[in-house]
Amino acid sequence: DAMVIQNPRYQVTQFGKPVTLSCSQTLNHNVMYWYQQKSSQAPKLLFHYYDKDFNNEADTPDNFQSRRPNTSFCFLDIRSPGLGDAAMYLCATSRVSYNEQFFGPGTRLTVL
Amino acid sequence: DAKTTQPTSMDCAEGRAANLPCNHSTISGNEYVYWYRQIHSQGPQYIIHGLKNNETNEMASLIITEDRKSSTLILPHATLRDTAVYYCIVRDNNDMRFGAGTRLTVKP
Repeated sequence: DAMVIQNPRYQVTQFGKPVTLSCSQTLNHNVMYWYQQKSSQAPKLLFHYYDKDFNNEADTPDNFQSRRPNTSFCFLDIRSPGLGDAAMYLCATSRVSYNEQFFGPGTRLTVL
Repeated sequence: DAKTTQPTSMDCAEGRAANLPCNHSTISGNEYVYWYRQIHSQGPQYIIHGLKNNETNEMASLIITEDRKSSTLILPHATLRDTAVYYCIVRDNNDMRFGAGTRLTVKP
């Protein structure tokens, strides 16, 4: 089945230690998104790629970066995680920007 | 993007219809109404979307008022597995932004 895969499902890192979360898709969609969802809150868009074009949300901290080496993969890099970055990180894809989005199961990040 | 207003929480009896309202009084002509839901510890799941006509698919029905200022998502026969947070989102061709959503609890 075509799907959005996120690895790992649970990630523990130390305060200030860089961490990378990964997302892959078998849907061959053009657009890939990263959302942050803190406890009991709605998902918040961090940035997205339309093909190789990167689009950052204005209020996304510089601590968060992303890479998309090919159509199938997209990475979220947190350069220096703080305690406030503990959250569920959701990856989503869509064929084009205005289509429905397909979400992965998320990676829950814990910062010690 | 237009803002949406949804009840914080709702309950529904198993087997009955669940009707989830959403107000979007500032919606503009080119904006669609999308519904997603998020079951605990899972990623959001697309349910349905519409522009001005009512829509139905295998999961739900979407009723949009004639003035487009509000809509209702209908789950015709709610099951326990429909317990989730339901997000009503108004968007044009740009990115999607989630509001607080409605926490629907389906009870036996």
